Amino acid sequence: AQSVAQPEDQVNVAEGNPLTVKCTYSVSGNPYLFWYVQYPNRGLQFLLKYITGDNLVKGSYGFEAEFNKSQTSFHLKKPSALVSDSALYFCAVRDMHDRGSTLGRLYFGRGTQLTVWP
Amino acid sequence: DTAVSQTPKYLVTQMGNDKSIKCEQNLGHDTMYWYKQDSKKFLKIMFSYNNKELIINETVPNRFSPKSPDKAHLNLHINSLELGDSAVYFCASSQRGGVSRNTEAFFGQGTRLTVV
Repeated sequence: AQSVAQPEDQVNVAEGNPLTVKCTYSVSGNPYLFWYVQYPNRGLQFLLKYITGDNLVKGSYGFEAEFNKSQTSFHLKKPSALVSDSALYFCAVRDMHDRGSTLGRLYFGRGTQLTVWP
Repeated sequence: DTAVSQTPKYLVTQMGNDKSIKCEQNLGHDTMYWYKQDSKKFLKIMFSYNNKELIINETVPNRFSPKSPDKAHLNLHINSLELGDSAVYFCASSQRGGVSRNTEAFFGQGTRLTVV
């Protein structure tokens, strides 16, 4: 069964420092992996995705994520955090060969609240 | 232009009432979804429609009935609202995938439903 784990409910980091938000996944086939961000009282915004190819993918707002197949991880990173990065971050997985009742379904982690202080 | 739009943004209603939330996408996607986000921010899929056909129904009470008049719209009707229905409901859309690399889902802004 497909699932996503975000082991940290909260990550706190000082502005200017690097940040990492962790994500591990479990999927029966090959994964499509995604990061979404949710600002207060807003919908989910797509940040980046891994489909195939380079393990390091770059996304919006200077974020990047590294796909590690052996560790089944897809950690979100940014070299220098901004106060405006403070938000709720969701990792999600989709089975590359989803079909039938799982077609297009995203499995979300429980979210990690990132707080960047000045 | 808003890619996925849902209305209303806020909905406050009494127990026992019937209410609807509308969703429209202008991305040309063939699959639409309803997700529920509870008070702990956990996201859970409720329904998924592909080309107007229901393909996912995740143990949701019969009081919830999705309707897809065409592949650009997926509305959610809720009968006999209960206190536990209070949550934020998100509509989303995506393309089916396969050979397409456009696999990410796009979400609406959410509808905050409060049942009193």
